[in-house]
Amino acid sequence: QLVLTQSPSASASVGASVKLTCTLSSGHSNYAIAWHQQQPEKGPHYLMKVNSDGRHSKGDGIPDRFSGSSSGAERYLTISSLQSEDEADYYCQTWGTGTVVFGGGTKLTVL
Amino acid sequence: QVQLVESGGGVGQPGRSLRLSCAASGSTFSSYVIHWVRQAPGKGLEWVAVISYDGGNEYYAESVKGRFTISRDNSKNTLYLQMNSLRPEDTAVYYCAKVIEATWLFDIWGQGTMVTVSS
Repeated sequence: QLVLTQSPSASASVGASVKLTCTLSSGHSNYAIAWHQQQPEKGPHYLMKVNSDGRHSKGDGIPDRFSGSSSGAERYLTISSLQSEDEADYYCQTWGTGTVVFGGGTKLTVL
Repeated sequence: QVQLVESGGGVGQPGRSLRLSCAASGSTFSSYVIHWVRQAPGKGLEWVAVISYDGGNEYYAESVKGRFTISRDNSKNTLYLQMNSLRPEDTAVYYCAKVIEATWLFDIWGQGTMVTVSS
């Protein structure tokens, strides 16, 4: 069964870096995923696609502070030089035959 | 740049129906696959349904199968979600979302429309 697992919460200080993790279930380690940001009281916004080989392609206007990478079944979103507006929920997403799967989301608190 | 705008949300009684619309602009609507995704209050994102470019293929989440129908009118650049036999657990913000070509990864989201199921 295709499942994406995310830690429920993370925190870091303004100006620091944070690395969020999305783990693919067993047997699905070659899947590409997308990262989406959802700021408080707003809809989701696409950040980037991350392939199994670590290559990533960002959406229009996404700052260089946001980057993606991979290792095995894990897909990462790294945010550097954290700003207060980065405080948001971050969701990873992928797809299988006839279905779409979301991770449970990570709530990022910027201290 | 594609823009998606949902409408049709509101309050519906349990067992009744609502129809949502998603109007697209800025690109050739008939060239992309498009989905419905929902988010219950305080919860995460949940995929609802997808329809192919020409409307020939549809897939649904188990939670809505048999009750919801996705459709599209490419001449009107509009996606629909017919929601029948509404349940309180269908209460959510409903988003339409376009995918990156050759994937089902979402790259454009609408702003969402709220559906509340309550008597």
